[in-house]
Amino acid sequence: GAVVSQHPSWVICKSGTSVKIECRSLDFQATTMFWYRQFPKQSLMLMATSNEGSKATYEQGVEKDKFLINHASLTLSTLTVTSAHPEDSSFYICSASPRTARGSPLHFGNGTRLTVT
Amino acid sequence: AQSVTQLDSQVPVFEEAPVELRCNYSSSVSVYLFWYVQYPNQGLQLLLKYLSGSTLVESINGFEAEFNKSQTSFHLRKPSVHISDTAEYFCAVSTTSGTYKYIFGTGTRLKVLA
Repeated sequence: GAVVSQHPSWVICKSGTSVKIECRSLDFQATTMFWYRQFPKQSLMLMATSNEGSKATYEQGVEKDKFLINHASLTLSTLTVTSAHPEDSSFYICSASPRTARGSPLHFGNGTRLTVT
Repeated sequence: AQSVTQLDSQVPVFEEAPVELRCNYSSSVSVYLFWYVQYPNQGLQLLLKYLSGSTLVESINGFEAEFNKSQTSFHLRKPSVHISDTAEYFCAVSTTSGTYKYIFGTGTRLKVLA
């Protein structure tokens, strides 16, 4: 149980185009989902907290107009990288928890490797 | 604010040898503690967690971690590692109150050698 599906697993796009990444909780409802960015050999950097039915909360330094997050339902959150540039190339991971209790561990998608050429 | 420090970026160890991956945290409020494992090109999987109670917690594959409040540490140990344990290990904290978020350490790459 508690499966998080992330799609696509990898994507290559041209500079200036936009890319949408989907994160779905398959067997549970997720009021909150988290989006992380992982640089090579580095930790996960929290980009934003996605709340169902409301605006996402972005971490300091993350451009909300560039990384658009939509959490339209309890099982789906999307991250759109707008006007992508090579420096946006990275591994993006979403996560969610089936419970709102704070001690509940996160369940992660398998990540999306974005390459911008 | 919270922070997590994993001092060792890489730990090479021979198969069947013991290993300890260090994790220290800083927080002005109480936290829950987690260890996650990441295999290449995959998301993270929960290894074990400490919420309350016994300070020693164990995973199903032989790892254990001990919460030490005075030293603000949550080191991960395994008495005998296998080749299959080769992966990236992340320590994380989540606050028990306030803003709901998880903060991760920089990770430790465990490489088990034959």
